[in-house]
Amino acid sequence: DAGVTQSPTHLIKTRGQQVTLRCSPKSGHDTVSWYQQALGQGPQFIFQYYEEEERQRGNFPDRFSGHQFPNYSSELNVNALWLGDSALYLCASSLGRWSNEKLFFGSGTQLSVL
Amino acid sequence: KNQVEQSPQSLIILEGKNCTLQCNYTVSPFSNLRWYKQDTGRGPVSLTIMTFSENTKSNGRYTATLDADTKQSSLHITASQLSDSASYICVVSGRYSGGGADGLTFGKGTHLIIQP
Repeated sequence: DAGVTQSPTHLIKTRGQQVTLRCSPKSGHDTVSWYQQALGQGPQFIFQYYEEEERQRGNFPDRFSGHQFPNYSSELNVNALWLGDSALYLCASSLGRWSNEKLFFGSGTQLSVL
Repeated sequence: KNQVEQSPQSLIILEGKNCTLQCNYTVSPFSNLRWYKQDTGRGPVSLTIMTFSENTKSNGRYTATLDADTKQSSLHITASQLSDSASYICVVSGRYSGGGADGLTFGKGTHLIIQP
């Protein structure tokens, strides 16, 4: 049973570039949430996707956008990268929008912006 | 504002020793509290989850306690092993969040190092 998988594991970009991160949820899960975790901090909620629509959003600018596909996988897109976007980006999946106690995290994508 | 404060920020202990990590929260009303273990550069893995009616829960050498009256939780690790070296994150869910992902408040974690 595959857990939550994210790709790539590491990524280096320069300021102003755009990046796309990918996530496949745990088998049987239909909801994907994205988090940003800066070094030494706890994860910060970016947004959640369910039924191919953004359902909840945290306090992140419009530069952060996403998509969910019919197979429940998801992408996180960040435009016009800032140095401050350097962080570990975590994807978490669950069955249904309202079951955060059953949240499973992927290993994350480490993004470095130079 | 909902907050989760963890202490200590970092901790170094010798292999085989016990340790206790603390979590204080202001999330109200409260639904559940969970402890996650996060290895460096990896995603968090759930250790325990407790609702407001539970005051202790164990998972192997990990025992979590909860005092909903004082809004405090602790994670006790017994007979530590080198593989316990990680960050331990306390996460609280508010009752009116509906269980959504945005209803979680994360602490900054305690960075634990086990020395041989």
